[in-house]
Amino acid sequence: EIVLTQSPATLSLSPGERATLSCRASQSVSAYLAWYQQKPGQPPRLLIYDAISRATGVPARFSGSGSGTDFTLTISSLEPEDFAVYYCQQRNNWPNTFGQGTKLDIK
Amino acid sequence: QLQLQESASGLVKPSQTLSLTCAVSGGSISSGGYSWSWIRQAPGKGPEYIGYIYHSGSAYYNPSLKSRVTISIDRSKNQFSLNLNSVTAADTAVYYCARSRDGYAWVWGQGTMVTVSS
Repeated sequence: EIVLTQSPATLSLSPGERATLSCRASQSVSAYLAWYQQKPGQPPRLLIYDAISRATGVPARFSGSGSGTDFTLTISSLEPEDFAVYYCQQRNNWPNTFGQGTKLDIK
Repeated sequence: QLQLQESASGLVKPSQTLSLTCAVSGGSISSGGYSWSWIRQAPGKGPEYIGYIYHSGSAYYNPSLKSRVTISIDRSKNQFSLNLNSVTAADTAVYYCARSRDGYAWVWGQGTMVTVSS
């Protein structure tokens, strides 16, 4: 099973700042990586798939990059509604696996 | 707009079977190109794929749960189901159903909390 390690565990930033979240895979997942956003009491929401493609309706301030084992989610300028937990997920090898999450909170 | 709704489950006793149903509305479960997934999330943890099924009935399970899991589909009722037997406290989680495509979960239900306790 592929293990995804996300860093940092918690990221404290202010609105307007740039956020950079990392996801590292225990082996190559090619470009088959997604990012989800989860707010309290809600299911995860797909933001980015295939490492770089934004899902429908996702604002352009969210961008993904990377391939192989190292991936990044960047939020260019944080809005108040962006403070949440973010998970990466790979689908290169079954079982699909998720990371343990990065909590983005308000500084 | 597609919506998924998990049936309420609540409390399950250890060693018993957890059974959930996901009702699909606003779209057909027989639509090609999609799979129908069960994903769970233990408190404070990342989500975990349990398995998925195609409208044909072909199902795929997480190897860590394979011996205890069955996912089935009922096209006449536009729903799919999860059975997880011999549950323990480690199965306590929020259980989500989702419509997946290309291995990603695009549309999620709101989730239902299942607690395993005597």
